[in-house]
Order: sequence, then structure tokens, then C-alpha cells
Amino acid sequence: RKEVEQDPGPFNVPEGATVAFNCTYSNSASQSFFWYRQDCRKEPKLLMSVYSSGNEDGRFTAQLNRASQYISLLIRDSKLSDSATYLCVWGMNTGFQKLVFGTGTRLLVSP
Amino acid sequence: NAGVTQTPKFQVLKTGQSMTLQCAQDMNHEYMSWYRQDPGMGLRLIHYSVGAGITDQGEVPNGYNVSRSTTEDFPLRLLSAAPSQTSVYFCASSETGTGDGYTFGSGTRLTVV
Repeated sequence: RKEVEQDPGPFNVPEGATVAFNCTYSNSASQSFFWYRQDCRKEPKLLMSVYSSGNEDGRFTAQLNRASQYISLLIRDSKLSDSATYLCVWGMNTGFQKLVFGTGTRLLVSP
Repeated sequence: NAGVTQTPKFQVLKTGQSMTLQCAQDMNHEYMSWYRQDPGMGLRLIHYSVGAGITDQGEVPNGYNVSRSTTEDFPLRLLSAAPSQTSVYFCASSETGTGDGYTFGSGTRLTVV
């Protein structure tokens, strides 16, 4: 089983829609979780960290469910510029965090 | 600030050739890493460094060497290129060493024929 599993998509949604992605992980040890965004043929960039209490950044909401071992990303009021691949990432909470990346979920927002 | 600069952006090698992918950062970050990204797979860690003079292996180190003689530079050397090393290579640096502090370079697309 992969350490991090994501639905590759693509998720095709119209502008203004709400879309949610889930990501499951297999390692139950203490970790930190992140969502990164990667545009086509570009480098990954941090979108947001994921906290156990859930966190929100504008139109983006991230949740962590340690009991069920998944994290989620909710995007409200989708914009054309949200079209990208969203990478689920975790890192062990031991000094330097070696990151483990999921394969990503592709989102396409259409007019 | 330039951030993390990778050169070259594109490279084609013949099997058996060696080359060095360059990575430089101007943010005085202690932590630097090399990842490779292949279709259908997440980014995988090749080597990393927690400071000048200190390097360690990641998940897929075979066929690659690194050194960290300065804080700014973290080159990745392919010793004898193989088609399996065809990939996109990303260098990253971090001030904190945590996942929310990474800055990635724009990548090097390497093809080995």
C-alpha cells in the first residue's frame, strides 16, 4: 500500500463550484500534513498546512482525521486559476522533515 | 531574491554519460533536498543536506552523489546515466526543515537515451 494515496482525477468543475479532495495515508506515526499545489510543468508550492483542528485560508479549508487516517481539501467558489494538481504531503515530526508526496489530484475548472 | 535556482532547465544525455545538476539558493537556508518526479508517482527524495558538509540518503539514492561544500550550493551528480533516470528533478531548500518552509526550484527535465 502506498504511504499516501490520492484520486488522480481529473475533477472537472465549473467556475463557482465547490470541490473536495481526500487523501489517505498509511503511517499512523506522528506526522505533519500539507497540501501543495503544482501547476503544469512547474514546481510544487505550499498551499497550506493541515492541522488537527482544521484550518481555513480564504476559499480553502483543510481537515485532518487521524482516526480514519485521511486529510481533505475543500475549495469553495472555484476560480479558473485554481486549475492545477493538488499534492497531499506528509512529513515525520522528527527534526528535518523528509516529505512524502502523493501522486496528486488534478483539478480542471471551466468557464 | 532569486530563491532556488536550478540549471540546466533541460538536458539530454546518452546512457553512460555523467553530469551535474546545479542547485543554488540565496536565502541562507540550512536544509536542502533533491527530489525526482516521475509520471504516476509522487516526488521521491534522492538526497538531502541539513547543513554545509552534512548530507544523507533519501528514498532513491542509487546512481546519484551529492556534496554540500557551501550553504548556497547543493549539486546532484549522475555518475553513469541510465534511461531509468529520465525524470524531472527538483531541488528544494528550507529555513525550518519542516514541510511548510520548503521552496522548490523550477526543475531540470532530464532525458537519458
